[in-house]
Amino acid sequence: AQSVSQHNHHVILSEAASLELGCNYSYGGTVNLFWYVQYPGQHLQLLLKYFSGDPLVKGIKGFEAEFIKSKFSFNLRKPSVQWSDTAEYFCAVRTGYSSASKIIFGSGTRLSIRP
Amino acid sequence: DGGITQSPKYLFRKEGQNVTLSCEQNLNHDAMYWYRQDPGQGLRLIYYSQIVNDFQKGDIAEGYSVSREKKESFPLTVTSAQKNPTAFYLCASSTRDPDTTADTQYFGPGTRLTVL
Repeated sequence: AQSVSQHNHHVILSEAASLELGCNYSYGGTVNLFWYVQYPGQHLQLLLKYFSGDPLVKGIKGFEAEFIKSKFSFNLRKPSVQWSDTAEYFCAVRTGYSSASKIIFGSGTRLSIRP
Repeated sequence: DGGITQSPKYLFRKEGQNVTLSCEQNLNHDAMYWYRQDPGQGLRLIYYSQIVNDFQKGDIAEGYSVSREKKESFPLTVTSAQKNPTAFYLCASSTRDPDTTADTQYFGPGTRLTVL
């Protein structure tokens, strides 16, 4: 069965530190990849997505992610985090292009930034 | 304003009672989804609907039921058969065509259900 793994459950960083959150998926076919963010008390929002083309995608608020097909990975990065980045981050994968394809979410990574 | 609304924000029910969670969207999206979010488990798909009058079970459909009589509405009923219903429920919608950049899920604010 397809799955998405986020190995870091809780990451604690100081402001200005660099961030990398891991995301691996298990599916050998075509995928669409997403990162969502849930700030405290707010809606789940799309951070960035990869459908095709350049495997390095840039999203909002200075985030980027790189799709490495050979590693089945889509890690999220930010060179310098801010206190306002404190949130929960979810990686998600859509497998295939059929109308019945679903999005599978990882278990989430809670990011805490120390001011 | 376009978006997805869910009501109520907080819901309490007694064991043995059915309860219905509302989800409405005015984005003209064909597809709608219900997820359950539990701490440390991410989002798990309960039901989804690609088009009006049609819906499919997700990964954890047992104890839940849905209907899709209108494009903009996708209510979820949590029945008494659901063994552990206390959770945060999220509704989402997306356009149907997976080949367009618009095929991205947009989420509502969620309903927190607590069974007493």
